Amino acid sequence: SAVISQKPSRDICQRGTSLTIQCQVDSQVTMMFWYRQQPGQSLTLIATANQGSEATYESGFVIDKFPISRPNLTFSTLTVSNMSPEDSSIYLCSPTLVPSYNEQFFGPGTRLTVL
Amino acid sequence: AQKITQTQPGMFVQEKEAVTLDCTYDTSDPSYGLFWYKQPSSGEMIFLIYQGSYDQQNATEGRYSLNFQKARKSANLVISASQLGDSAMYFCAMREGVSFGNEKLTFGTGTRLTIIP
Repeated sequence: SAVISQKPSRDICQRGTSLTIQCQVDSQVTMMFWYRQQPGQSLTLIATANQGSEATYESGFVIDKFPISRPNLTFSTLTVSNMSPEDSSIYLCSPTLVPSYNEQFFGPGTRLTVL
Repeated sequence: AQKITQTQPGMFVQEKEAVTLDCTYDTSDPSYGLFWYKQPSSGEMIFLIYQGSYDQQNATEGRYSLNFQKARKSANLVISASQLGDSAMYFCAMREGVSFGNEKLTFGTGTRLTIIP
């Protein structure tokens, strides 16, 4: 496995502001996935990020709200823009490691509360 | 239709007993993988075990094993000799296809397991 870190681990933000979440992996990654887990719910995929190309967003998620960057093979950021209380969730990155098809690991998560 | 179904919202099990967490799935893709994760109250997602659709044997990892019944499209997680530290949410997830860039997972709703001393 690899070491996956996320920053911040938690934050409390005001409505209307934005927060950028960082995901760093200590080994090579092919794809980077960003998931959201709303309180008491399961995980939902926000978008898939491949290095050097624009992220692919799932239905219900748009780039203006959740811009993603993937500047290199080991790092990615997710921004939650113009936040509202409905954005209060745990946000998790999940890199696909090289080589690996029978494992899928997650970062420790960012617990976001929007007031 | 739900792709991953976990019908047990919550379970209470006596310590040291074995527990089975149910998961059924729906896919028309012949190539797929099934994953189980443990999520303690801290929120992290801990990968437990993987079963590929072409795997001939049921997967095992320590106290975790997967009861894979392909014809029934079920992939139940079995935890042997449960411990207090096993109390957590458990999620079943599926990856359809094995092509590059298609490693996204679809999750079930989860089962909250509580181990009773």
